[in-house]
Amino acid sequence: QKEVEQNSGPLSVPEGAIASLNCTYSDRGSQSFFWYRQYSGKSPELIMSIYSNGDKEDGRFTAQLNKASQYVSLLIRDSQPSDSATYLCAGQYSSASKIIFGSGTRLSIRP
Amino acid sequence: DAGVIQSPRHEVTEMGQEVTLRCKPISGHDYLFWYRQTMMRGLELLIYFNNNVPIDDSGMPEDRFSAKMPNASFSTLKIQPSEPRDSAVYFCASSRERDYGYTFGSGTRLTVV
Repeated sequence: QKEVEQNSGPLSVPEGAIASLNCTYSDRGSQSFFWYRQYSGKSPELIMSIYSNGDKEDGRFTAQLNKASQYVSLLIRDSQPSDSATYLCAGQYSSASKIIFGSGTRLSIRP
Repeated sequence: DAGVIQSPRHEVTEMGQEVTLRCKPISGHDYLFWYRQTMMRGLELLIYFNNNVPIDDSGMPEDRFSAKMPNASFSTLKIQPSEPRDSAVYFCASSRERDYGYTFGSGTRLTVV
């Protein structure tokens, strides 16, 4: 069973600090990875995608991928209260189009 | 672009009734996905289509669930008969290419009483 694992949290981070969200996956054949943000009562929104080992930066967000360790992470710099949401990690098999989601990490930014 | 459009936004129905959820994907997106989200099980993929053809329906929980995509701009997910355990938020999502992330619709919150 291909799985994506996340710590459910909640993760509480002070405003202005770096929030670090982590995810592991079981399928070594996974090629593409995504981070989605989901506010309470809303639909998931794609915020980052990463396809190769290393770091990918977009504004305050940095996604990190380590395929040898089967590990994906998301760093949020200068955390804001508006970053408080559930963050879903997702992986896509190389042999299929479907994305498998983790259960999500609830992030709370405290003022 | 209007995004992925789902209807209805909320549906309350009695056990045993038929429920039909509707989705209009983003124009030009070749992939369409139906997900279900609950607190207990998170986001579960039910079925997905490529160019209107069902590719993988292994996530459809039982024969009570069926999905169709008669054309590139419309898909339905039907539950007949509905049961209280079907209560969840059902999301439709679409994607332009295989390795792209998805764009989700606003979801349909289904309550079966």
